[in-house]
Amino acid sequence: NAGVTQTPKFQVLKTGQSMTLQCAQDMNHNSMYWYRQDPGMGLRLIYYSASEGTTDKGEVPNGYNVSRLNKREFSLRLESAAPSQTSVYFCASSSSLYGTGELFFGEGSRLTVL
Amino acid sequence: QKEVEQNSGPLSVPEGAIASLNCTYSDRGSQSFFWYRQYSGKSPELIMFIYSNGDKEDGRFTAQLNKASQYVSLLIRDSQPSDSATYLCAVTSNSGYALNFGKGTSLLVTP
Repeated sequence: NAGVTQTPKFQVLKTGQSMTLQCAQDMNHNSMYWYRQDPGMGLRLIYYSASEGTTDKGEVPNGYNVSRLNKREFSLRLESAAPSQTSVYFCASSSSLYGTGELFFGEGSRLTVL
Repeated sequence: QKEVEQNSGPLSVPEGAIASLNCTYSDRGSQSFFWYRQYSGKSPELIMFIYSNGDKEDGRFTAQLNKASQYVSLLIRDSQPSDSATYLCAVTSNSGYALNFGKGTSLLVTP
């Protein structure tokens, strides 16, 4: 039982390059989330998916796109990476449709944009 | 912008003392409140959640909620060096589907 798995764990990009962060959960959770964490800024919500087939913007969606591929997988894409997107990205999942359930986090993906 | 405010610390307490961590939130409609612990370089993990006014105890941890004052706190009794971490307060967002996190309070428990 792996929980929430994120890949890659580390990535270095050049400005303008694109990449996709992958996330998969094996807990049969309905809701999935992408957060970014920057020093002094805490965790900020980028996008979320309340259920399979739906996605919604969070606090900081600009520069990102997401795909809820199926119930297990929720990917985050950077189309044209910028240095401001250097951050640690966390995927999380929750069993509840509303924010009342525990969030289970992946180990994080550390992205550096040069 | 719904906000969750925490003192960034660091909060330093001696081993065996009570650590008190505080959080205020701006959205009066928030219904669910969580405390997560995050060790350096690791992902957050849930410690406590509380939905109703008052206190909720779980082992050495007590969460306190006062919705009228829009205030939630976490008390850690008999603090141990292993409690040294950043503690994140999280509150349900106005969408109801996600959590808004505070910036976290760094706790250092000294032997």
